[in-house]
Amino acid sequence: DQQVKQNSPSLSVQEGRISILNCDYTNSMFDYFLWYKKYPAEGPTFLISISSIKDKNEDGRFTVFLNKSAKHLSLHIVPSQPGDSAVYFCAASARSIGNQFYFGTGTSLTVIP
Amino acid sequence: GAGVSQSPSNKVTEKGKDVELRCDPISGHTALYWYRQSLGQGLEFLIYFQGNSAPDKSGLPSDRFSAERTGGSVSTLTIQRTQQEDSAVYLCASSFLIFSGLAGFQETQYFGPGTRLLVL
Repeated sequence: DQQVKQNSPSLSVQEGRISILNCDYTNSMFDYFLWYKKYPAEGPTFLISISSIKDKNEDGRFTVFLNKSAKHLSLHIVPSQPGDSAVYFCAASARSIGNQFYFGTGTSLTVIP
Repeated sequence: GAGVSQSPSNKVTEKGKDVELRCDPISGHTALYWYRQSLGQGLEFLIYFQGNSAPDKSGLPSDRFSAERTGGSVSTLTIQRTQQEDSAVYLCASSFLIFSGLAGFQETQYFGPGTRLLVL
């Protein structure tokens, strides 16, 4: 059963515009969330994280928003750049229930120049 | 510094053969994870090592899968009697814990490039 879901397999955005990638989770015990970026033939690379005590974390062009009541998080990229084109995975974990990180199936972002 | 490395990068094998996949984590990282990603799927947790503690094997899909971590560093994932459904990208990640005050301990995993396994 998929505990972390990314319902949009792909997204296309014009360069300079905002990219919004969404992620939903089902387990209310999750308290730590991450976004990873993956280029073809490479492993995922860490992008940004957020703890459940926060509802927003910002790092340069990347901002992650967490809505615990809706069990929803989103990644905003603004302005989007062609180099942002990649597959984005969200992940969640809760040390209180084990060592696993649960990953979504990914959203492929294409930024059009 | 050096990142996580995995070998081989690609492996083609025949059904029924055994394979060994290797992971060299980042020096000093106490935790090591194995995941696999099948086509069109997310990352599936397989096994977790933390220091000298007993590994968390809860994600291993069958007893054909095993892993060990020698000396708290290099890890080997072994798949015995491979099946076609074992074809996937096998990813290794290492991590360390950072104490972040009110947020508690935070952990970021650093992934290797993966081993692409194809079972014919």
